[in-house]
Amino acid sequence: AQSVTQLGSHVSVSEGALVLLRCNYSSSVPPYLFWYVQYPNQGLQLLLKYTSAATLVKGINGFEAEFKKSETSFHLTKPSAHMSDAAEYFCAVSHTGRRALTFGSGTRLQVQP
Amino acid sequence: NAGVTQTPKFQVLKTGQSMTLQCAQDMNHEYMSWYRQDPGMGLRLIHYSVGAGITDQGEVPNGYNVSRSTTEDFPLRLLSAAPSQTSVYFCASRTPGAGGPDTQYFGPGTRLTVL
Repeated sequence: AQSVTQLGSHVSVSEGALVLLRCNYSSSVPPYLFWYVQYPNQGLQLLLKYTSAATLVKGINGFEAEFKKSETSFHLTKPSAHMSDAAEYFCAVSHTGRRALTFGSGTRLQVQP
Repeated sequence: NAGVTQTPKFQVLKTGQSMTLQCAQDMNHEYMSWYRQDPGMGLRLIHYSVGAGITDQGEVPNGYNVSRSTTEDFPLRLLSAAPSQTSVYFCASRTPGAGGPDTQYFGPGTRLTVL
């Protein structure tokens, strides 16, 4: 079975500060990993995905995530937060041959001026 | 392309009523799915379909029915609504990825309240 744990249901940072959102997964086989963002009253938008081609994955809006197999982690980072980054972020995992995503519980990011 | 569309955006039901949440996609995706989103629980898979005429259960299927008569449409039916089905419902469709994991596209969601 696969699962995803997102540490911290709420994260607050100042504008211009580093954003770090944590995601750990459990999987018995090599996973595919995703980060999605959900702005208020909207659907989910893909930020980035791990394809096994490179451990450091760059996504949209300046976000990136690093796959660390030894730590079973896929943390999301952004060097400098913008007010527009305020949203809920979901980490998700899937496997080859599986057609569905397993989501973490989400982390709500607040950006303070 | 309109992508994935869902109707209605909002719905209020009374306990025991039935309704159908509509989902359509115009990207010719074979795979479609329904998720529900509840606070603190992320998104959980209700039902999914790998093509017209083929459906299967996800993590939380009880109380919901689906059918897939066309590639484009994947409606979700609540036969007898219960307050526990108060949630935000998302439909998603998937495109096969060449050499990598598939990308799912999500609709805007339907916010359902059952009184």
